[in-house]
Amino acid sequence: DTAVSQTPKYLVTQMGNDKSIKCEQNLGHDTMYWYKQDSKKFLKIMFSYNNKELIINETVPNRFSPKSPDKAHLNLHINSLELGDSAVYFCASSQEGAGASYEQYFGPGTRLTVT
Amino acid sequence: QKEVEQDPGPLSVPEGAIVSLNCTYSNSAFQYFMWYRQYSRKGPELLMYTYSSGNKEDGRFTAQVDKSSKYISLFIRDSQPSDSATYLCASREGAQKLVFGQGTRLTINP
Repeated sequence: DTAVSQTPKYLVTQMGNDKSIKCEQNLGHDTMYWYKQDSKKFLKIMFSYNNKELIINETVPNRFSPKSPDKAHLNLHINSLELGDSAVYFCASSQEGAGASYEQYFGPGTRLTVT
Repeated sequence: QKEVEQDPGPLSVPEGAIVSLNCTYSNSAFQYFMWYRQYSRKGPELLMYTYSSGNKEDGRFTAQVDKSSKYISLFIRDSQPSDSATYLCASREGAQKLVFGQGTRLTINP
């Protein structure tokens, strides 16, 4: 059973297109995240949602719009794709709140290539 | 200055060696410290987790946190070729965001 799953695994698209990445977790966690990992392996948070509410919104272009239909799902929609958006995008989840360990579990990643 | 600094390596050692991976951080309010292992083309997986200062051991892995010097370490004993991966340290302050180091690429040579 995959704890945190993402689709698609690979995405190749042209500049200017709009694309979406989907994430689902079956861990019962209440918080989900999107991270971007660049070519130098630097992992940086983009967004986090707690119980469908946006908690963290880092300095990310507004072409990126996350959506959480329920606490088990977090999607990422990207408008007008640019070359610099090429990266691996990871979804993660954790259980927050009093007594929580805050351990984050990551999905397998979506490798986005913009040509 | 990045909040969490980590030497990206690469680091290459022979099988059986003791490996020492290190990070420094600047935010004295960080309380939670984690090490993630990331194999090529996979997602990071949580390896070790510690709260505040001290040591934690799990099999061949030992995590150390020294809050006085803002230093985080991971030791791998009897290293195996299967330990070859990128190791990422990460820290956070309470419920705040998790901040990652750049990751150190480690290769264990048979």
